[in-house]
Amino acid sequence: LAKTTQPISMDSYEGQEVNITCSHNNIATNDYITWYQQFPSQGPRFIIQGYKTKVTNEVASLFIPADRKSSTLSLPRVSLSDTAVYYCLVGGGSMDSNYQLIWGAGTKLIIKP
Amino acid sequence: ETGVTQSPTHLIKTRGQQVTLRCSSQSGHNTVSWYQQALGQGPQFIFQYYREEENGRGNFPPRFSGLQFPNYSSELNVNALELDDSALYLCASSFVPGRTQYFGPGTRLLVL
Repeated sequence: LAKTTQPISMDSYEGQEVNITCSHNNIATNDYITWYQQFPSQGPRFIIQGYKTKVTNEVASLFIPADRKSSTLSLPRVSLSDTAVYYCLVGGGSMDSNYQLIWGAGTKLIIKP
Repeated sequence: ETGVTQSPTHLIKTRGQQVTLRCSSQSGHNTVSWYQQALGQGPQFIFQYYREEENGRGNFPPRFSGLQFPNYSSELNVNALELDDSALYLCASSFVPGRTQYFGPGTRLLVL
């Protein structure tokens, strides 16, 4: 089972770009990398998913190096409302892999004015 | 397209009681997973249902059980509630097992 390591917490300021790096040394060939955002007492919200290189959507970018042993979530021009916990997960590459996803404690991101 | 919904939003029970939590999956999704999230921790996988059959289970005792119905909605039942069962219970649906999961708002359970 792949396990991820993320910083416990990060601070930044409004308008800055924030990069959160996740390491996943034991990622399997079929595994995808998925990031979720969670506000207090709410369900996690899907942000972005990728397999290799770079993926971009309307809210974030995901950078994955060739060895896929790490990934970086990039949030451009953050605002106070981006204060949340961000989770990095690997898995989902096969029909029986959802339940093998292990959620760590995530990265608590605090955005300051 | 409707998202994942859960009911109730909050619940208070006492030790030893039983509770049933409900989840409606996102339209077109036939897979539902349940998670328990204690305060300050990441979600912990309880079990997953795919086409009305249990498709995988985490490290939870048998007093945690579930059902999935023909319309792919699901129930989580917990018997003999313990104080440590107090948590946010999350339901997530996906198109099929292994695909991206989309979460509901959760049910906050407090056991006194």
